[in-house]
Amino acid sequence: DAKTTQPPSMDCAEGRAANLPCNHSTISGNEYVYWYRQIHSQGPQYIIHGLKNNETNEMASLIITEDRKSSTLILPHATLRDTAVYYCISYSGTSYDKVIFGPGTSLSVIP
Amino acid sequence: GAVVSQHPSWVICKSGTSVKIECRSLDFQATTMFWYRQFPKQSLMLMATSNEGSKATYEQGVEKDKFLINHASLTLSTLTVTSAHPEDSSFYICSARRTSSNEQFFGPGTRLTVL
Repeated sequence: DAKTTQPPSMDCAEGRAANLPCNHSTISGNEYVYWYRQIHSQGPQYIIHGLKNNETNEMASLIITEDRKSSTLILPHATLRDTAVYYCISYSGTSYDKVIFGPGTSLSVIP
Repeated sequence: GAVVSQHPSWVICKSGTSVKIECRSLDFQATTMFWYRQFPKQSLMLMATSNEGSKATYEQGVEKDKFLINHASLTLSTLTVTSAHPEDSSFYICSARRTSSNEQFFGPGTRLTVL
């Protein structure tokens, strides 16, 4: 079973920041928080990951709470092409671990 | 970046036939690959873990004789859906774990339709 919980759906106005929350209260010390997204009928696309520090790349920012029990993915200026299902996953990256997907959050960016 | 390809991208077959789907890591070695299945409006469900040179490990409820997995090299894993039926129609996605870093990279998926 997935070890994270996310809201099932969210809307965001085009050009505004999209803030997608994730709860991972049982995350282990060696597990990273990974975010992927899936646009309809495509494979999952890696977005960003972090362990305990906030991270930023060309796609998004990841804010992880100090206790690591939750995080927020931020798309700073959402576009229509960001409409997708976003998955938050806790994954250690060790050889015995697997990426298990939960239901994710369906983000709709509205013109 | 690391690229994973799948072939074919879509396939239509008759009920009772077998279908093979290939998953390749194009620019890295992958000791371990994973196979997922996704039904419409649902999330990805892990089917099995494929390890190079050894038998695959199947998740609970997945029939190993129905879904044959072969991982004969560090860059190729295949999934064969044997005696396919309409209920096997689904989106099949593979991922490859890069041996040097343990990161997982996903393929674009294969749409299987069984008539």
